[in-house]
Amino acid sequence: DARVTQTPRHKVTEMGQEVTMRCQPILGHNTVFWYRQTMMQGLELLAYFRNRAPLDDSGMPKDRFSAEMPDATLATLKIQPSEPRDSAVYFCASGLGTPYNEQFFGPGTRLTVL
Amino acid sequence: AQSVAQPEDQVNVAEGNPLTVKCTYSVSGNPYLFWYVQYPNRGLQFLLKYITGDNLVKGSYGFEAEFNKSQTSFHLKKPSALVSDSALYFCAVRDLRSNDYKLSFGAGTTVTVRA
Repeated sequence: DARVTQTPRHKVTEMGQEVTMRCQPILGHNTVFWYRQTMMQGLELLAYFRNRAPLDDSGMPKDRFSAEMPDATLATLKIQPSEPRDSAVYFCASGLGTPYNEQFFGPGTRLTVL
Repeated sequence: AQSVAQPEDQVNVAEGNPLTVKCTYSVSGNPYLFWYVQYPNRGLQFLLKYITGDNLVKGSYGFEAEFNKSQTSFHLKKPSALVSDSALYFCAVRDLRSNDYKLSFGAGTTVTVRA
C-alpha cells in the first residue's frame, strides 16, 4: 500500500530555531506539493515541484521558508527562523504529473512554535 | 482563475439519513473536480473525481457526486450516512486551461452524523 510519509509527525520548538520537515513521495510520483493547514486560513498551498524542479513557491514566505527536492525520494521544507505564527499542520502530497490525477496526502507534521 | 466555494461550514445529519455536502466552482475553461475527506489528526484522503463523461461519479465509502455544468456545482452525496462519516470534507478544482498542476481547495465542510 503506497503512501506518502512525513517526518517528524510532531515538532515543538522555540521561536528562532530552525525547523526541517521531510517528505517521501509515493514512488513514481513526479509532482510534490507542500500545504499548510490552520484553523484561520484553512488549507494553503506553499510550494510545489515537478520532476524535482520548483514550479511555484508563491505561497511561501520567502524570507524564512525554503523548499527543496534533493532527490526524487525526498522533499524538504525548512523554516529559519521559526515564529509562533508558523504553528500549523504541514502536509506533503504527491501525484502523477497529469492534470487529472488526484494528489495523495501524507499524515502531516504538526508544528508548534513557542 | 479557478476557485471553489463550499457554502456550508457545517452539516449535521442523523445516521441513516441522506447526506449532501455542497460545492460550487468557478473556472474559465472546463473543470477537473475532486472531493477529499479528512478525519481528525489525519491527512486528506481522496474520495472521488470528475474528469469527463458521466455526470454521476461514484467513489469510496459509498459516496457519489453529481457534476452539474449549468449550475457549476459538484455536490457530494451519500444515501445513508454513518456516524463514521463524521469528518471534514474538501472540494477542489483544477481548470483544464490551466498550465499548472495546482488544485484550488474550498474552505471545507464539517460533517457531523449523530447516532
